[in-house]
Amino acid sequence: DQQVKQNSPSLSVQEGRISILNCDYTNSMFDYFLWYKKYPAEGPTFLISISSIKDKNEDGRFTVFLNKSAKHLSLHIVPSQPGDSAVYFCAASGDQAGTALIFGKGTTLSVSS
Amino acid sequence: NAGVMQNPRHLVRRRGQEARLRCSPMKGHSHVYWYRQLPEEGLKFMVYLQKENIIDESGMPKERFSAEFPKEGPSILRIQQVVRGDSAAYFCASSSNQFTGGSDEQYFGPGTRLTVT
Repeated sequence: DQQVKQNSPSLSVQEGRISILNCDYTNSMFDYFLWYKKYPAEGPTFLISISSIKDKNEDGRFTVFLNKSAKHLSLHIVPSQPGDSAVYFCAASGDQAGTALIFGKGTTLSVSS
Repeated sequence: NAGVMQNPRHLVRRRGQEARLRCSPMKGHSHVYWYRQLPEEGLKFMVYLQKENIIDESGMPKERFSAEFPKEGPSILRIQQVVRGDSAAYFCASSSNQFTGGSDEQYFGPGTRLTVT
């Protein structure tokens, strides 16, 4: 049973436009959410996170939105660049330090120039 | 570069052999996590260790798999009597566990790609 779901396996966007990656979760005990970016043959790279006490966190071109009532979060990338092409993983954890991350299956983003 | 180090990057083993995967956490980090990624899947948690202690091994298969993080040296994930289904990418992550009311980020190594022939 998947607790973190990324229902879109892939997304194609033109350079300069907005990329929106979505993630749904089922476990209401999750308290912390993270997005990771992964290139082939490399490990995931931390991008941005959000605590459940917030509904938005912004870092440069990346913004994460959290809707707790809908158990949904999204990552917005504006403007999208070709270098953003990668697999994006949504992950969730409890509120204690040292808890395991539960990952979605990932969404492959392709940004064309 | 004081990032998470993993070796080897690629490992080929025949069925029945043992595989040893090593992970050195980031400088200053004392918490290590192991994850496995099967083809077309997300990363799945296996085990969480602190120095000389296994904290959470709820994701570890019950047989053939073991992990350690000794006082000195890297963390090691050991797979005995490997089978073809063990072929996957194994990622190690580390964190500082500076809990400030939210989870601390985990930083990942480049992974070890295990192929069982």
